Amino acid sequence: EPEVTQTPSHQVTQMGQEVILRCVPISNHLYFYWYRQILGQKVEFLVSFYNNEISEKSEIFDDQFSVERPDGSNFTLKIRSTKLEDSAMYFCASNNQRADTQYFGPGTRLTVL
Amino acid sequence: KNEVEQSPQNLTAQEGEFITINCSYSVGISALHWLQQHPGGGIVSLFMLSSGKKKHGRLIATINIQEKHSSLHITASHPRDSAVYICAVRPNTGNQFYFGTGTSLTVIP
Repeated sequence: EPEVTQTPSHQVTQMGQEVILRCVPISNHLYFYWYRQILGQKVEFLVSFYNNEISEKSEIFDDQFSVERPDGSNFTLKIRSTKLEDSAMYFCASNNQRADTQYFGPGTRLTVL
Repeated sequence: KNEVEQSPQNLTAQEGEFITINCSYSVGISALHWLQQHPGGGIVSLFMLSSGKKKHGRLIATINIQEKHSSLHITASHPRDSAVYICAVRPNTGNQFYFGTGTSLTVIP
């Protein structure tokens, strides 16, 4: 069964460094999403992406964040200058139509020191 | 404000019991998502619904749009059902989902 994959599974970085989190959505999906979950808190929406552009973003998704689909398979989330409060689990998801069930990746745990 | 409330926060059940988890929300929505998060953190989508009822195996999800309420039922619960169950709603405007804090379910053998 096709699945969403994410790399790395765990990333440790120093405050102020740039990180890129990578996702490979399911191949025929058209809508892509990033979510984050700070430890012990609820899941929060960051951004949705369709047709090579952002379709919606939350208040969390400020200028420090960017997303890209550099080729036909990868979907990346970049944090330009990480802060301590960026430490969280980041989940990528995809679906084929907006109304469909979203398929989640296993997550990348980001630790900012 | 897009509030999503789940109840109960924590639930312990004996194996075989029928379980109900509730989700209430405050705005008009276009879709509601039930998700399961395992202790390792991975998230699995269970249902996406906008009206009526959906069933998959021992899981049933219902939604009442007028009352802004959804329930997730698990029949013949099993220890492997132990997880956090999360409700998320997408308001009528926009593509963003708003998540509840989850219901932590423990099923005891």
